[in-house]
Amino acid sequence: DSGVTQTPKHLITATGQRVTLRCSPRSGDLSVYWYQQSLDQGLQFLIQYYNGEERAKGNILERFSAQQFPDLHSELNLSSLELGDSALYFCASSDPPGTGGSGANVLTFGAGSRLTVL
Amino acid sequence: KNQVEQSPQSLIILEGKNCTLQCNYTVSPFSNLRWYKQDTGRGPVSLTIMTFSENTKSNGRYTATLDADTKQSSLHITASQLSDSASYICVVSADNDMRFGAGTRLTVKP
Repeated sequence: DSGVTQTPKHLITATGQRVTLRCSPRSGDLSVYWYQQSLDQGLQFLIQYYNGEERAKGNILERFSAQQFPDLHSELNLSSLELGDSALYFCASSDPPGTGGSGANVLTFGAGSRLTVL
Repeated sequence: KNQVEQSPQSLIILEGKNCTLQCNYTVSPFSNLRWYKQDTGRGPVSLTIMTFSENTKSNGRYTATLDADTKQSSLHITASQLSDSASYICVVSADNDMRFGAGTRLTVKP
């Protein structure tokens, strides 16, 4: 158990639908990152939040949105789903520099949420 | 443009053999470089992390090297085991940017 919790583990839905993926970061970590990994592809960075605020944006579609709540958990919302959105969605968290951790943004990944769009 | 290139894309070796995976990057200004192991369908797990001043870091049978001048890193796996079969991902960080390589898929066969 990495300490990063993602739910649900598996999700099957239809095109045009909307889903929400949830992530609870490791205790003490303020940053949350979302990544998409399609079949046999590398990790694609979607978005990062730090202590509730958006910090960086990657290749995130306009149909996707995310937020980080005051308790630091994060949700990734995927709407108007298409077949090509089928992928593993990973959440990762990291400790901020200067807090006694590695200070080097070591990412701790969750086990991922596997989304299948039919 | 900040990029991370990994080679080979895939590799098949026999159990017990050694192998070396490569990572070249153009990320600047360099902050740190990490190697992750990702088992199929699982989240990546950190193996090593190196900052600018470090040129080698070991974690059991995994040894990572870093040449900040040539912007190259390698991950050497000794006495490979079946459980080493996974994707190995190189991640390079700049101050506010983190770039992932596409990974090398290693298969260890008995």
